[in-house]
Amino acid sequence: AQRVTQPEKLLSVFKGAPVELKCNYSYSGSPELFWYVQYSRQRLQLLLRHISRESIKGFTADLNKGETSFHLKKPFAQEEDSAMYYCALNTGTASKLTFGTGTRLQVTL
Amino acid sequence: KAGVTQTPRYLIKTRGQQVTLSCSPISGHRSVSWYQQTPGQGLQFLFEYFSETQRNKGNFPGRFSGRQFSNSRSEMNVSTLELGDSALYLCASSPGSGANVLTFGAGSRLTVL
Repeated sequence: AQRVTQPEKLLSVFKGAPVELKCNYSYSGSPELFWYVQYSRQRLQLLLRHISRESIKGFTADLNKGETSFHLKKPFAQEEDSAMYYCALNTGTASKLTFGTGTRLQVTL
Repeated sequence: KAGVTQTPRYLIKTRGQQVTLSCSPISGHRSVSWYQQTPGQGLQFLFEYFSETQRNKGNFPGRFSGRQFSNSRSEMNVSTLELGDSALYLCASSPGSGANVLTFGAGSRLTVL
């Protein structure tokens, strides 16, 4: 069965420091991976997907099939990046996502 | 463009009762998915409906059911409520074909006493 692991419940960094939110997945086929973000008092929303290979709000994520990882990175953290981040895996054509348990990113001054 | 609308936003029920939650997707979206979010289990997939048919189902007991109407609006029902059903129930819509990008609603927070 597919699984998504986010090993850190909380990641606290200083403003301007690099950020890396870890995500590992288990799936034997071709995965489709996403990062969703939930800011305080806002809805869960898509941040980026691996197929797009784009940078959103300075964040990037590269799919590493060898290491079965999809880590989220940003070179310089901003206060507004403080939020809950979820890594998610889709293994089919339907909208059935397997979510990780989430990592709370706290950016402090 | 209106987002995904879920009603009611909050509700309190007692054990043994049943509840119906409603979700109106983004206009033009044909797929509606439901997720349960709890502090202990995180986000778990309940089911997905596409063109009024259940296309996928998660590992939840039969007390959890849903349906989709011809206008793509969806409802989910939980019968014989248990304390453990207390959760935030999230609805998400997507076009249904091609990109699997979900747009989530604000959720319905159910408390079972």
